[in-house]
Amino acid sequence: QVQLVESGGGVVQPGGSLRLSCAASGFTFSTYAMHWVRQGPGKGLEWVAFMRHDGTTIYYADSVKGRFTVSRDNSKDTLYLQMTGLRSEDTAVYFCAKDRMDIVPTSFDYWGQGTLVTVSS
Amino acid sequence: DIQMTQSPSSLSASVGDTVTITCRASQDISNWIAWYQQKAEKGPKSLIYAATSLQSGVPSRFSGDGSGTDFTLTISGLQPEDFATYYCQQFDTYPITFGQGTRLE
Repeated sequence: QVQLVESGGGVVQPGGSLRLSCAASGFTFSTYAMHWVRQGPGKGLEWVAFMRHDGTTIYYADSVKGRFTVSRDNSKDTLYLQMTGLRSEDTAVYFCAKDRMDIVPTSFDYWGQGTLVTVSS
Repeated sequence: DIQMTQSPSSLSASVGDTVTITCRASQDISNWIAWYQQKAEKGPKSLIYAATSLQSGVPSRFSGDGSGTDFTLTISGLQPEDFATYYCQQFDTYPITFGQGTRLE
């Protein structure tokens, strides 16, 4: 069965950096687009980033553009999110999610359980 | 950005009831909408995609309808495990956006 397992969350000071990972299994990772979605404490869902199956197309939410970088290693079935210049408003649970398609962003058929990032001094 | 407005924001119901959640898009999104269920401390679960298609493994009591700007998620015959928060999501136009959620209690 499809599994997405996020890791790498933690507490970081404002302005700091953190790298999240999402280990995928149960499907052919290299043939699907992937996303990061976050959820602030007590808040709704906010889409963060999209990466096409082969890594050639990337989209970011305006709120993270220039600070976050999404990448993937298809040989390791893993998606990453490098976060720099972290702000208090980046505090959230970060989910990775599998897209139904390979090339363009559509909807998500599977989600991970999330990893918590807390930005605080 | 396309705004997705869900209503109601919360809903009280009982086991066996039929409930409908509405999502309105700020512009025409054709049928490019999906619905998710989220329980506390868990990642969301896909229910419906492309407005009316049921995700594999999801019970048939869940159904979606609509096109253009107005969409509904209906749960027919609520079960105890259905009490959760529900979100709509549009994927017609970048950036992907979600509704604010409907808490079913």
